[in-house]
Amino acid sequence: DAKTTQPTSMDCAEGRAANLPCNHSTISGNEYVYWYRQIHSQGPQYIIHGLKNNETNEMASLIITEDRKSSTLILPHATLRDTAVYYCIVRPLDSWGKLQFGAGTQVVVTP
Amino acid sequence: GAVVSQHPSRVICKSGTSVKIECRSLDFQATTMFWYRQFPKQSLMLMATSNEGSKATYEQGVEKDKFLINHASLTLSTLTVTSAHPEDSSFYICSVETGNALATDTQYFGPGTRLTVL
Repeated sequence: DAKTTQPTSMDCAEGRAANLPCNHSTISGNEYVYWYRQIHSQGPQYIIHGLKNNETNEMASLIITEDRKSSTLILPHATLRDTAVYYCIVRPLDSWGKLQFGAGTQVVVTP
Repeated sequence: GAVVSQHPSRVICKSGTSVKIECRSLDFQATTMFWYRQFPKQSLMLMATSNEGSKATYEQGVEKDKFLINHASLTLSTLTVTSAHPEDSSFYICSVETGNALATDTQYFGPGTRLTVL
């Protein structure tokens, strides 16, 4: 049973910001939101995670709504190398490392 | 973050043979590693949790006698696909958990191993 819902695919123009939505309406109070991406034929790459506050690192920003039922991953200046499948994952406190990957969003950055 | 390597990156074998895949944590001592499998155009599915010095924990539907996991040290876990068949052809990926497997920890993945069974 999927805990997150993401669009199947998105196109983004190179140099523009890419905003990737994720719905997680059944999230619990102690569950974190994680984002990973997977470039074709590679292992997933950790991007960012958060609980309720917005987070930013060198790769992206994570905006979580006040009710925590949805979040948006923002790639501020998309490049062709950002073309990948992006996974939004809700991680329970007692997950013991088990990450449940959904189908993710296929992001294609075009010149 | 942790750097994880896998060897080999790709392997082709004949049906009935066994294949060993290594997963190494290069800069982090990992008491727990994870093995995932990914079929073409599908998402990652957790196969098993590898625990250093103890038996692995397998997910439902994963045959423990077919997918042998050995986590002999804090930096190495191996997955052996025994008597491989074409339906075992897949992308196998390992990961390392940097922490105590809590929700606040981060998991880092290896580059994956492409297995093709002829």
